Amino acid sequence: NAGVTQTPKFRILKIGQSMTLQCAQDMNHNYMYWYRQDPGMGLKLIYYSVGAGITDKGEVPNGYNVSRSTTEDFPLRLELAAPSQTSVYFCASSRRDPMTNEKLFFGSGTQLSVL
Amino acid sequence: DQQVKQNSPSLSVQEGRISILNCDYTNSMFDYFLWYKKYPAEGPTFLISISSIKDKNEDGRFTVFLNKSAKHLSLHIVPSQPGDSAVYFCAASASSGSARQLTFGSGTQLTVLP
Repeated sequence: NAGVTQTPKFRILKIGQSMTLQCAQDMNHNYMYWYRQDPGMGLKLIYYSVGAGITDKGEVPNGYNVSRSTTEDFPLRLELAAPSQTSVYFCASSRRDPMTNEKLFFGSGTQLSVL
Repeated sequence: DQQVKQNSPSLSVQEGRISILNCDYTNSMFDYFLWYKKYPAEGPTFLISISSIKDKNEDGRFTVFLNKSAKHLSLHIVPSQPGDSAVYFCAASASSGSARQLTFGSGTQLTVLP
């Protein structure tokens, strides 16, 4: 079982370039999330989705876009890369559970540097 | 404004002894708390959680304690093993809109010395 798969693992961008971080899960989870982790900081939520066709902003959405056309895939788009977007990006998913808080399953991360 | 704080960036413990990792929070709306463990070059993995209606939850060598009046929780690992060396993140959850969102602390690097 692959779980949550993120690609690429590493990427260097020039200022102003754009790119898409890919995320796919094979657990049939409804909920998917994008987090970023800056050095010495906790993970901050960028965007999340509660199902195909539904997305919503998290704590730090500026400079990013997402789409959720299928249950499995949740790509994160950076349109005009800026140095402030240098970070480690984690995708996560969870099973919808109305009775308890769902635990998240994380991908292994994408290290992005914007120079 | 950090709503979840882990004030110790690092902790070293001898193998076999107890590891105690601490976490403080400020938002009284948080009602569910989780600990995640992260190894280098991997994503965080869920470790243990606790609801605000409890003050203790145990799972094998791992126990989480919640003190709501002090807005404090701690993770105890007994006995500590070298494989426990990792970064531990505390996270808190409150219902918001269509999904519960997690707020993470900055993490504590635990090193268990053989």
